[in-house]
Amino acid sequence: KQEVTQIPAALSVPEGENLVLNCSFTDSAIYNLQWFRQDPGKGLTSLLLIQSSQREQTSGRLNASLDKSSGRSTLYIAASQPGDSATYLCAVNQAGTALIFGKGTTLSVSS
Amino acid sequence: EAEVAQSPRYKITEKSQAVAFWCDPISGHATLYWYRQILGQGPELLVQFQDESVVDDSQLPKDRFSAERLKGVDSTLKIQPAELGDSAMYLCASSPGFAGRTGELFFGEGSRLTVL
Repeated sequence: KQEVTQIPAALSVPEGENLVLNCSFTDSAIYNLQWFRQDPGKGLTSLLLIQSSQREQTSGRLNASLDKSSGRSTLYIAASQPGDSATYLCAVNQAGTALIFGKGTTLSVSS
Repeated sequence: EAEVAQSPRYKITEKSQAVAFWCDPISGHATLYWYRQILGQGPELLVQFQDESVVDDSQLPKDRFSAERLKGVDSTLKIQPAELGDSAMYLCASSPGFAGRTGELFFGEGSRLTVL
């Protein structure tokens, strides 16, 4: 059974820092991996989708990498801002299942 | 920009009462999902539809939960009777991909249920 783990569970950084969020999964047979952002009490906003054949995807200050063979993905946030404060979730898609989520990393960026 | 619509945003009910949530996916998205998210946890799938057909409802507590997508467009999730442990955020998502190979998922704002 696929398991998705996100480390750390929480992270606090000062504004301007570059940071990395980690996601690991136990079964490397995935179709794709998706990173989401969730603000308190809100739904999920898709940030980046990486197909299994891709190594990375970039959107603005965000860069997500995927190493399928080792079961790892990282989300890199450059020059963090207070508006980046949220919970970041990763999820993997496998054959025959819907997305399987990690528990998320809650990020707090202080000004 | 197209969005997944959900209602109500908030629902407070007493245990043993019935509650229903509605979702309207992005137009043209064939695949629709209902997820449940307990505070501090990641979302967990309840049911997945491909058009009007259920693809996966293995995690749906069928003694009290039901879901339908009669015309393959909007969907309703019902709980009867509600229990204290059902307090959670109920999230609807849609995807243009086929059920077996999910494309990018788009989520609604969710329906927050509190059972007293």
